[in-house]
Amino acid sequence: GDSVTQMEGPVTLSEEAFLTINCTYTATGYPSLFWYVQYPGEGLQLLLKATKADDKGSNKGFEATYRKETTSFHLEKGSVQVSDSAVYFCALRPVSGGYNKLIFGAGTRLAVHP
Amino acid sequence: KAGVTQTPRYLIKTRGQQVTLSCSPISGHRSVSWYQQTPGQGLQFLFEYFSETQRNKGNFPGRFSGRQFSNSRSEMNVSTLELGDSALYLCASSPTGRENYGYTFGSGTRLTVV
Repeated sequence: GDSVTQMEGPVTLSEEAFLTINCTYTATGYPSLFWYVQYPGEGLQLLLKATKADDKGSNKGFEATYRKETTSFHLEKGSVQVSDSAVYFCALRPVSGGYNKLIFGAGTRLAVHP
Repeated sequence: KAGVTQTPRYLIKTRGQQVTLSCSPISGHRSVSWYQQTPGQGLQFLFEYFSETQRNKGNFPGRFSGRQFSNSRSEMNVSTLELGDSALYLCASSPTGRENYGYTFGSGTRLTVV
């Protein structure tokens, strides 16, 4: 079945460092891809999305490009801030298999230090 | 515009009891889906409701059930609670469940089974 694999955390960075969180997927067809972020004690917030190959999603300085050839959707940010410390989840919405269903990766915890 | 509201935020139950969690979607959203988040299994899809009908179900035992009311509010019920049911339960809403722009999540209900 469809699945998402994320790099294991935690990822620890200094403020203003460059961030990459790797995400690869296995799926039938062209699923929609998402990055969600979860701050401590809160639910999930949609960070960005891409719905077709070569689409680039971007928001709040974060970017990710839908790469069909490498089945990847890596999250990047040029200069992280302490406030970016959170858990990041890569997810896909399958092409088939029902409605409103997201398949998530295991999550990657990011810690940014001043 | 109010977000997705989940009640209660925290719950402690004893093994063998049953529990009901509530989710009020964003006004106008007719699709509500539920997810279980645990440290071991991550985020897993439970089920999705649209116009009072369950359209999709994840791989959970029959002790997990749900329903949706005519005002789109949804409840999920877990009977005969087990220690392993301790988790953060998240619900998400969207207008129809078919959108590719992502879903809005609530802050979750933290269930602890003792």
